[in-house]
Amino acid sequence: GAVVSQHPSRVICKSGTSVKIECRSLDFQATTMFWYRQFPKQSLMLMATSNEGSKATYEQGVEKDKFLINHASLTLSTLTVTSAHPEDSSFYICSPETSGGGPDTQYFGPGTRLTVL
Amino acid sequence: AQKVTQAQTEISVVEKEDVTLDCVYETRDTTYYLFWYKQPPSGELVFLIRRNSFDEQNEISGRYSWNFQKSTSSFNFTITASQVVDSAVYFCALRNTGGFKTIFGAGTRLFVKA
Repeated sequence: GAVVSQHPSRVICKSGTSVKIECRSLDFQATTMFWYRQFPKQSLMLMATSNEGSKATYEQGVEKDKFLINHASLTLSTLTVTSAHPEDSSFYICSPETSGGGPDTQYFGPGTRLTVL
Repeated sequence: AQKVTQAQTEISVVEKEDVTLDCVYETRDTTYYLFWYKQPPSGELVFLIRRNSFDEQNEISGRYSWNFQKSTSSFNFTITASQVVDSAVYFCALRNTGGFKTIFGAGTRLFVKA
């Protein structure tokens, strides 16, 4: 299966700081990237969708100025949580998809657990 | 609008029992895909199965089986002879072919006791 990495796997930061999460597709090109957020004991909620080289499309209720997404290359996308607060503590999962879309081409990263003190 | 409902929040069984996880979905699309994922304590999603809306055949893979019934908009998942390693959260998900968003159900937390 396709290999997707996320870095860091865990991060603890102080309130007010920014945190950058990297997502890499190691053996395929990701033309589309989905970012999900999962609060404890809850489901995965889609935050935003980005296509390589384009601005991300954010879901309703997700602040685009707070969650900055960069998808500058076909193998790397980053999510930056700016001025993080305790309520941003969550499990963030990236999901790259290869060109053409479709259910066979969506994969999931191992996730990044963010704790904001 | 699309929606996935997993009414069972938590299920607890004893090892070797069979267990069925329910999934009911809503969509206006005639063409769509349904998925089941397993999320162990580590957090990484494990893909289990994909079924497209035109294929209502039930599927069996080892101790896992899936029952897709379009008439009732259900896609249930059965684990036969459960094992402790099956303890995890299981998500049912829906994706239409027109758009490209995958919608997840709330998940069912399965505890299998030795």
